[in-house]
Amino acid sequence: GESVGLHLPTLSVQEGDNSIINCAYSNSASDYFIWYKQESGKGPQFIIDIRSNMDKRQGQRVTVLLNKTVKHLSLQIAATQPGDSAVYFCAEKTGGFKTIFGAGTRLFVKA
Amino acid sequence: DTGVSQDPRHKITKRGQNVTFRCDPISEHNRLYWYRQTLGQGPEFLTYFQNEAQLEKSRLLSDRFSAERPKGSFSTLEIQRTEQGDSAMYLCASSFGGEGAYGYTFGSGTRLTVV
Repeated sequence: GESVGLHLPTLSVQEGDNSIINCAYSNSASDYFIWYKQESGKGPQFIIDIRSNMDKRQGQRVTVLLNKTVKHLSLQIAATQPGDSAVYFCAEKTGGFKTIFGAGTRLFVKA
Repeated sequence: DTGVSQDPRHKITKRGQNVTFRCDPISEHNRLYWYRQTLGQGPEFLTYFQNEAQLEKSRLLSDRFSAERPKGSFSTLEIQRTEQGDSAMYLCASSFGGEGAYGYTFGSGTRLTVV
């Protein structure tokens, strides 16, 4: 069946360092991937997306890398700030209407 | 427009009671989704509307659950005869259909506690 999972449930980084959050997916037919950030008491917030015909996409301080060979997705956050502390979800779509979310990685930023 | 609004933010109900949640999406968004999220987990898809048509329902949406979007604007999610296992955060999201527009805007959710 479909599954989107994360390698690590928690990640702790020093303020100013770069963060890398990893994600594995199992459905090779997935054609669109999204990263969401969720802060306590709030709904998930769209960060960045990537289509399956791309390997890399950059946003402001964030980069998403897609390796379709090993079905791996990563989110890189440059110069991590305290405001980046949150739970990060990778998600995938396979044609249809629904988005499948992974379980999430909690990012702690140490001052 | 202040984004996706959900009401109430919190709901505590006794087992067996019915509850109804409301979602007001971003006005120009034609797609509306309901998700359920339990502690420490990612959101799970419940149902999807395009305008007023309910186009997809998850197997998670038992016959105790019903969702409507009568005029293609706001939506309601009703849970009848609530059970303790229904305790979760219920999230609503909206998007504008079209190529490359798959990122959702989520509301802050309704946290349901069934006691």
